[in-house]
Amino acid sequence: RKEVEQDPGPFNVPEGATVAFNCTYSNSASQSFFWYRQDCRKEPKLLMSVYSSGNEDGRFTAQLNRASQYISLLIRDSKLSDSATYLCVVNSGGGNKLTFGTGTQLKVEL
Amino acid sequence: DGGITQSPKYLFRKEGQNVTLSCEQNLNHDAMYWYRQDPGQGLRLIYYSQIVNDFQKGDIAEGYSVSREKKESFPLTVTSAQKNPTAFYLCASSIDSSNQPQHFGDGTRLSIL
Repeated sequence: RKEVEQDPGPFNVPEGATVAFNCTYSNSASQSFFWYRQDCRKEPKLLMSVYSSGNEDGRFTAQLNRASQYISLLIRDSKLSDSATYLCVVNSGGGNKLTFGTGTQLKVEL
Repeated sequence: DGGITQSPKYLFRKEGQNVTLSCEQNLNHDAMYWYRQDPGQGLRLIYYSQIVNDFQKGDIAEGYSVSREKKESFPLTVTSAQKNPTAFYLCASSIDSSNQPQHFGDGTRLSIL
């Protein structure tokens, strides 16, 4: 089983739609969780950290379920500019070692 | 502007040649990291450094070497022992090594001639 698993997609949605991504992780001792966004042939950029109580940043909401070991990202009112690959990232080792999922591709269409 | 600078953006290596990728940060971050990304795969950790003059192997360190003589610099050498070096190489840094998010440079694409 992979340490961090994501549905690769692509998810093709119309502009204005709400879309949700899930991610599961295998190490129950994992301490911190993040969502990154990566555009084609660019570096990953931090979208948001994920906290146990859930957190929201504008149109983006992240949730963490430690019991089931999954993380979710909800995007409301999708924009064309949201088209990218979304990486689920888990810190599960000493020295701030991050484990990256392979990413979920989102395509927002007119 | 504060940030992480990687150079060169594109690099071509001949067979049997060592090449060095540069990574510099002016964020005053203690920790720095090197990853490689292959198509359809997640980022994989090559080496990381929690503090100056110290570094540890990541998951795929074979064929690579690093140094951390200065806080702001963490160069990666891809040696001739790395048999499949073609990849997108990403350098990152974080404030320290305590569950902090990492911030990335814009990467170096390495190809074999």
